[in-house]
Amino acid sequence: EVQVLESGGGLVQPGGSLRLSCAASGFTFTDYAMTWVRQAPGKGLEWVSTINDNGGRTYHADSVKGRFTISRDNPNNTLYLQMNSLRADDTAIYFCAQTRGAHSFGPHSWGQGTLVTVSS
Amino acid sequence: QSALAQPASVSGSPGQSITISCTGTSSDVGAYNYVSWHQQHPGKAPKLMIYDVNNRPSGVSNRFSGSKSGNTASLTISGLQAEDEGDYYCSTYTGSSTPYVFGTGTKVTVL
Repeated sequence: EVQVLESGGGLVQPGGSLRLSCAASGFTFTDYAMTWVRQAPGKGLEWVSTINDNGGRTYHADSVKGRFTISRDNPNNTLYLQMNSLRADDTAIYFCAQTRGAHSFGPHSWGQGTLVTVSS
Repeated sequence: QSALAQPASVSGSPGQSITISCTGTSSDVGAYNYVSWHQQHPGKAPKLMIYDVNNRPSGVSNRFSGSKSGNTASLTISGLQAEDEGDYYCSTYTGSSTPYVFGTGTKVTVL
């Protein structure tokens, strides 16, 4: 069974940093691109970042470009999202998702999410 | 890249069929057969219901079906059940500098 489990969320002050992790199991991690999606309180889904199977290609939404960095540790089946210069409007639940293929973008199997709150 | 347009709400009675639209442009929905639909119950993680326009993942009821015509994709739920209540989001690959986008979301209510 495919499982992705996010961790690392919490309360952080504006301008601060946080690193989210996503532990994957139940599938061959190196065969799939991985994606982060977020959902602000009471709002819709927003695509954040995607990384291809070997980590050689990364993509970020304009709203986070230059502040967030997606990466992966294939030997340890773990996905990361490094978030710097955090702002109040980054407050959201962050979902990790397996995509359908090595170079896909769309979520196929979703995690339960981790809450990030940016507030002083 | 703007969010794909969806109706804010759709409702139907048990047993009826409803259709949710997802309108994009010739650069996203119209250009690729990569439209997906996701269901989200309150306080829960989203769940993939349809991928690549009209394909159902294993375990998803065949009451859910997808289609596309031009720049508009659609999700049809037939034999509506109480458990189908929730929010539904379409999404697609765009091929642009913002390569993936979600719809605005539709709240489905079973009357």
